[in-house]
This record gives sequence, structure tokens and C-alpha cells, in this order.
Amino acid sequence: EVQVLESGGGLVQPGGSLRLSCAASGFTFSTYAMSWVRQAPGKGLEWVSAIGGSGAATYYLDSVKGRFTISRDNSKNMLYLQMNSLRAEDTAVYYCARDGGSITVVILYHWGQGTLVTVSS
Amino acid sequence: EIVLTQSPATLSLSPGERATLSCRASQSVSSYLAWYQQKPGQAPRLLIYDASNRATGIPARFSGSGSGTDFTLTISSLEPEDFAVYYCQQRNNWPPTFGQGTRLEIK
Repeated sequence: EVQVLESGGGLVQPGGSLRLSCAASGFTFSTYAMSWVRQAPGKGLEWVSAIGGSGAATYYLDSVKGRFTISRDNSKNMLYLQMNSLRAEDTAVYYCARDGGSITVVILYHWGQGTLVTVSS
Repeated sequence: EIVLTQSPATLSLSPGERATLSCRASQSVSSYLAWYQQKPGQAPRLLIYDASNRATGIPARFSGSGSGTDFTLTISSLEPEDFAVYYCQQRNNWPPTFGQGTRLEIK
């Protein structure tokens, strides 16, 4: 069974940093692109970042470019999102989601349950 | 950035009725449009990809249609578990974007 499980959320002050992790199981991790998608409280979905199966190709939403870094460790079946210079508007539940293949096409077949990031003083 | 506008914002129907949800793109997205279902406190679930292809395990009462700028998700006969929020998402242009959602509620 395909499973992805996020962790690492929490309360952080504006300007602070946080690293989210996503543990994957039930599939050959290195052969699938992955994305992070967020949802602010009571709001809709917003795609944030994606990475190809090999890790060579990465993509970002303009508003997080230069502040967030997506990465993966295929030997550990782990996906990461390093978030720096956090702002109040980054407050959201962050979901890890699996794509349809190794190339990033952003068809998000499997989602984790999310981890809440709150940016507040 | 492509803007997706979903209508109506809220749809009130009864079990057994037919639901028709609309998604309009600000410019053509070809057929690269997906639909997701989200229930309260849960992660989204992929229903339809590339406009009309049902994802694995999705019941046949869910169908998608459209191309270019106008898309429709149809639920042929509503089951109690279908009442949720539905989002469309395009992947034709970067960045991928979602619509604001349609809430399907029990009448």
C-alpha cells in the first residue's frame, strides 16, 4: 500500500526556519516525482514545490523561490522541504503528494495527511 | 499564472440526484485538468486526471469532460459519502494551480 507521512510542522516565529519531512513506503520511491502542496486554514489548495524522481529537477512557486528548498534522499525514501525566512502567509497544512511517474507532471495520485506549520510571534 | 474559477461555490443537492460542477480556466489548459475531492480533516483524493480519466478505484458515477477552458465534473447519482469539497487543478502551465473549490452539501 502506498503511504506518505509528513512530519516536522510546528509553531515558528516570522523569519524563522523549519524543515518538513515526508516518509514514503509501499512503492519504489526513486521512480516517482513528488510535490508539496499547502492549504491555509479554511482556504483552498496551493501547489508549492516539486522534484523529479532523480532529484535533478526542482520547481517552485514564485512566492517561495529563494526561501524554500525541496530535496530528497532516495536511499532513505524521504522527501524534504527546508523553509527559511518564514512569513505569516506561509501558515498552512503542508501535504506531501506522489506524482504519476519519475517526470514531474503534477498529477497527484497519493497524498499524506499533512503537517501544520504556524508562523506567528 | 492560470486562474481556475469554479462554479457554483456551493451546491446543495440530495442523495440520488445528479451533480454538475464547473471549472473555467483563464486560458487554455488543453486537457491537462484534474479533479480532487476533499472531506473535512482529510487529505485531497484524486478523482479524474487529464479531463476525463478516472483514477484507480474511483467509482464510475464520477465522470469528467471538457477541454481548452471549460471543464465539468459530473456525479451521476449522489451517494452520502460524496458530500465534500471538490477542486480542479491544471498542469498545462507553470505553476500548477487549483480552483477555489466547490462545496457539495446535503440539501
